[in-house]
Amino acid sequence: KQEVTQIPAALSVPEGENLVLNCSFTDSAIYNLQWFRQDPGKGLTSLLLIQSSQREQTSGRLNASLDKSSGRSTLYIAASQPGDSATYLCAALNNNAGNMLTFGGGTRLMVKP
Amino acid sequence: DGGITQSPKYLFRKEGQNVTLSCEQNLNHDAMYWYRQDPGQGLRLIYYSQIVNDFQKGDIAEGYSVSREKKESFPLTVTSAQKNPTAFYLCASSQKGDARPQHFGDGTRLSIL
Repeated sequence: KQEVTQIPAALSVPEGENLVLNCSFTDSAIYNLQWFRQDPGKGLTSLLLIQSSQREQTSGRLNASLDKSSGRSTLYIAASQPGDSATYLCAALNNNAGNMLTFGGGTRLMVKP
Repeated sequence: DGGITQSPKYLFRKEGQNVTLSCEQNLNHDAMYWYRQDPGQGLRLIYYSQIVNDFQKGDIAEGYSVSREKKESFPLTVTSAQKNPTAFYLCASSQKGDARPQHFGDGTRLSIL
């Protein structure tokens, strides 16, 4: 059974810093790996989706990478802003699980002005 | 605007009471999902439905029930058998088929009186 882990659970950085959020998964037979943002008391907003055949995806200041062989994905946020403060969740979609996502516990990010 | 609407935003349950959470989507999606999120944790799948009048148990279905009488609607009932119902509940939908992106509602927070 797939297990997804995110480290650290919480992170606080000063504005302008570049940062990396980590996601690891135990079963490398994935269709894709997705990163979401969740603001307090809100639902999830999809940020980036990396297909299993891809190595990375970029959107603005965000870059997500995928290394299936090592079971890892990273979300890189450049020049962080206070508006980036939120919880970031990664989720893996496995080949043999229909459309079922397995979520990590999330990293709660605080960017201080 | 197309999207997913969850209601109510906040819900309180008395001991021994069943409560129903509403989820409506106008995205014309075939598949719908219910997740539970506990503080500091990721999402866990309760139930999912890939077509009208059909649904499947997820990882934590005990104490919950669902129905799918209409394509647009997927209500979740939290029964008195669910002994620890306090959590944030998220509904999602997607197009039918594997690896389709899931779109999320804004959630319902359920608490015990």
